Order: sequence, then C-alpha cells, then structure tokens
Amino acid sequence: EVQLLESGGGLVQPGGSLRLSCAASGFTFSSYAVSWVRQAPGKGLEWVSTISGSGARIYYADSVKGRFTISRDNSKNTLYLQMNSLRAEDTAVYYCAKGRGSAYPNHYFDYWGQGTLVTVSS
Amino acid sequence: EIVLTQSPGTLSLSPGERATLSCRASQSVSSNYLAWYQQKPGQAPRLLIYGASSRATGIPDRFSGSGSGTDFTLTISRLEPEDFAVYYCHQYDSSPQTFGQGTKVEIK
Repeated sequence: EVQLLESGGGLVQPGGSLRLSCAASGFTFSSYAVSWVRQAPGKGLEWVSTISGSGARIYYADSVKGRFTISRDNSKNTLYLQMNSLRAEDTAVYYCAKGRGSAYPNHYFDYWGQGTLVTVSS
Repeated sequence: EIVLTQSPGTLSLSPGERATLSCRASQSVSSNYLAWYQQKPGQAPRLLIYGASSRATGIPDRFSGSGSGTDFTLTISRLEPEDFAVYYCHQYDSSPQTFGQGTKVEIK
C-alpha cells in the first residue's frame, strides 16, 4: 500500500524558515518523481515543485522560485521542502504527491499524503 | 500558463441525479493530459480520471471523463451520498502544471 506522510508544518513568522518532510512507503521511491502541491485555506490547489526520481531534474512555480528548495534522499525514501523567506501568502496545507506517467510536466498525481499545515503569521 | 476554468462553481443536486462538470482550458491541452480529482473536507485530493477519460484504480464506473482540446467534462451518472465533494481538473501538458478553481457538488 502506497503511503505518503508529511511532517514539519507549524507556525512561523514572516521572513522565517521551515523544512517539510514526506516519508514514502509502498513503492520504489527512487523510480518516481514526487511533488509538493499546496492549498491555501478555503482555496484551490497550486503546484509548487517537482523533483525527478534521481533528483537530477527540479522544477519550481514562479511564486516560490529562489525561496524554496526541493530535495530527496532515496536511501531514506524521503522528500523534503526547505522554505525560506516565508510570506503570509505561503500559508497553506502542503501535500506531497507521487507522480505517475512521464517526466515533468507530463504526469498526474496518483497518490497524495494527508498534508501538513504551514501558517505564516506574526 | 494554461488557465483552467471550471463551471459551475457550485452544483446543487439530489442523490441519484446526474452531475455534469465542465473544465475549459485557455489553450489546447495536447495528448489529453487532463486529470480530475475529488476532495472531501479535511482530506487530500483523490485521483478519479487521468488522460481525460481513463478511470483510476478502484474508481466506480459511475464516474466518467470526456473531452479533448480545450473542453473537458466529468460526469457522475448517478450521485451517491459519498460523491458530494469538491472536484478539480488538472492539466499536466505544460509547465507550470495548473488546476481549475474547483466545482462543489452539494446536496440539494
């Protein structure tokens, strides 16, 4: 059974930093691209970032480019998102999602974690 | 960036009725790289449809997807109580991947 379990969310002040983790199980982690998708309170879904299975290819939304860094440790089956210079508009539930299909952008998300809430506020 | 516009914003229907949800793209989505997800309150999205018309594993056949180019449709043939939720379309044809704003299917 595929499982994705996010952690690391919380309350942070504007300008602060936070690192999210996503522990994966039930599939060959290194064979699949994984992504972060966020959802602001009461709003829709927004793609944030994707990393290929090997970690060699990385993509970011313009809204987070230069502030967020995605990475993965295939030996630990874990995905990360380092978030710096956080803003109020980054407040959202952050989901990790497993890609299915071809290389980014040509894949959809067949499994999602339960999400972790990041709140940016003073 | 491909903008996806879903309509209607809210659909008020009774159990047993047919639901038709629309997703219109600002430019053509090639190879039918269009997916649909269902989200219930407090839960993560769940994949329903990929490739515009292929049902994901375990999805009941009352859910069907159709369309091509810029116009796509999700149809729920007969609404069950557990189908009342928010539905999102998602294009994975070009970067950045984008989602529609969602259609809420509520009990009338």
